[in-house]
Amino acid sequence: DQQVKQNSPSLSVQEGRISILNCDYTNSMFDYFLWYKKYPAEGPTFLISISSIKDKNEDGRFTVFLNKSAKHLSLHIVPSQPGDSAVYFCAASEGNAGNMLTFGGGTRLMVKP
Amino acid sequence: NAGVMQNPRHLVRRRGQEARLRCSPMKGHSHVYWYRQLPEEGLKFMVYLQKENIIDESGMPKERFSAEFPKEGPSILRIQQVVRGDSAAYFCASSRSGGKNYEQYFGPGTRLTVT
Repeated sequence: DQQVKQNSPSLSVQEGRISILNCDYTNSMFDYFLWYKKYPAEGPTFLISISSIKDKNEDGRFTVFLNKSAKHLSLHIVPSQPGDSAVYFCAASEGNAGNMLTFGGGTRLMVKP
Repeated sequence: NAGVMQNPRHLVRRRGQEARLRCSPMKGHSHVYWYRQLPEEGLKFMVYLQKENIIDESGMPKERFSAEFPKEGPSILRIQQVVRGDSAAYFCASSRSGGKNYEQYFGPGTRLTVT
């Protein structure tokens, strides 16, 4: 039973445009959400996070939106750059489960020059 | 200011052998997590450790897998009598504390191939 889902395995975007990556979850106990970026043969790199008490968090070109009622979050990258091409993972944790992160399956973003 | 270090980066084992994967957390971090990534899948939590203590091993297979984080030295993930299905990338992460506001920083991973 996948508790965190990224339904788009891949996304292609033109350089300079907006990239929108989506993530859905089923566990209503999740209260903290994170996005990681991963290049081939490297470990995931933390990008941005959001607590369930907020609906938006922004850091430079990256913004994460959380819609608790829909159990949906999204990552917006504006403007997209070729160096953003990577696999993006959404992850979630719940208050009483320590720091265990539950990951989605990832979305491969390709930003074309 | 070294990040999380894992070794070896690549490990090849024959079926039935033992695999030992090492993880040195970032300086100042005392919390370590192990995750496994099967091909074309996301990362799956295995175990969460602090120094000399296993805090959560709910993601560990019941047999053949064990983990430790001794007072001195790296954390070790040990897989006994490996099988082909153990072939995966194993990632270690560390954090400064166990609180939710402390992000987990990942190492480069160990890619285990069982032949």
